[in-house]
Amino acid sequence: EPEVTQTPSHQVTQMGQEVILRCVPISNHLYFYWYRQILGQKVEFLVSFYNNEISEKSEIFDDQFSVERPDGSNFTLKIRSTKLEDSAMYFCASTRSASTQYFGPGTRLTVL
Amino acid sequence: AQSVTQLDSQVPVFEEAPVELRCNYSSSVSVYLFWYVQYPNQGLQLLLKYLSGSTLVKGINGFEAEFNKSQTSFHLRKPSVHISDTAEYFCAVSEMKTGSARQLTFGSGTQLTVLP
Repeated sequence: EPEVTQTPSHQVTQMGQEVILRCVPISNHLYFYWYRQILGQKVEFLVSFYNNEISEKSEIFDDQFSVERPDGSNFTLKIRSTKLEDSAMYFCASTRSASTQYFGPGTRLTVL
Repeated sequence: AQSVTQLDSQVPVFEEAPVELRCNYSSSVSVYLFWYVQYPNQGLQLLLKYLSGSTLVKGINGFEAEFNKSQTSFHLRKPSVHISDTAEYFCAVSEMKTGSARQLTFGSGTQLTVLP
């Protein structure tokens, strides 16, 4: 059964550094998402992407964040200058029909 | 905008006992409803979903949920739990909106702990 994959599983970075989190969505899916979950808190929507552009974004998704689909398979989330409060689990999700989203295993980002 | 409330943050239950995890939502438009499960150190796995049709939906691992529009609820049930059901359970909603990438709004989660 096809799955969403994410790399790396754990990323440790220094405050102020740039990080890129990578996702490979399910191959015939059309809609792509990033969510985050700060430890002990609920899962929060960051951004959705469709037809090579951002469809929706939350208040969390400020100018420090960007997303890209550089080729036909990868979907990336870039944080330009990481802050301590960016430490969280970041989940990628994808869907074909814009109803049921399938999630990857997540990348745990630790900002020191 | 939507919101999701999971009133029980922790539910301990003995093995083979029934369990109900409660979820209530608020929305000004029609919604799709989902339950996801997160096992320790893993991602979110879809347990079941309500898109339309029968209000009683069955999912994986013997779980089921009932959509109640008048009470804006989507409670999750299992008649007999196993130790392996120990996990965090998240209720989520998305707007029933055509032609766009609909974001999911999650509840705060319920930690189900099955005791031997």
